[in-house]
Amino acid sequence: GENVEQHPSTLSVQEGDSAVIKCTYSDSASNYFPWYKQELGKRPQLIIDIRSNVGEKKDQRIAVTLNKTAKHFSLHITETQPEDSAVYFCAASIRSGGYQKVTFGTGTKLQVIP
Amino acid sequence: NAGVTQTPKFQVLKTGQSMTLQCAQDMNHNSMYWYRQDPGMGLRLIYYSASEGTTDKGEVPNGYNVSRLNKREFSLRLESAAPSQTSVYFCASQPPSGSSLNTGELFFGEGSRLTVL
Repeated sequence: GENVEQHPSTLSVQEGDSAVIKCTYSDSASNYFPWYKQELGKRPQLIIDIRSNVGEKKDQRIAVTLNKTAKHFSLHITETQPEDSAVYFCAASIRSGGYQKVTFGTGTKLQVIP
Repeated sequence: NAGVTQTPKFQVLKTGQSMTLQCAQDMNHNSMYWYRQDPGMGLRLIYYSASEGTTDKGEVPNGYNVSRLNKREFSLRLESAAPSQTSVYFCASQPPSGSSLNTGELFFGEGSRLTVL
């Protein structure tokens, strides 16, 4: 089955600096790559996603890049703010029958230091 | 529109006890999922239901059973709880595959924190 690896497991940055989280996946049939943010004690929520036919997507301070050949994708957060502190999960998804099978990475705990 | 609702939010069990986690969604979604979240291990799929009337095992199904009671409700049962099942459990749902609403996003409940002593 699909295997998603995520690095680093923890990341500390100064407020205003950029943060980059990297993921790799194993199944070349995966076609959808979402990123979820989970604040302490809360549910994971989608913050950005990218499909396999796109190489890059940006939404204000966050962007995601995808390299299908190398099977890796990354989350970039610019001008980090304290409210960006959370755990971030990458995922790879493939349509299987009547549903989309989603495999998550192990998460990155981001701490933004004011 | 409450989204995905899970109960209970917290539960403490003794080894060997049984319990059922309840999940309901009011978004008319077809697919529903149960994940467990453990430190350093991300979200791991326990069981899923692609549509009403069907259920399938995910990555870590041992020790669990599920019931898709109707389109809205998907419950997770621990028949004989073990300390290894101490975790935070999340229910999630997804719009129908092939529909314009299905971007692939999972909609999560607030989670149920289970401790097995």
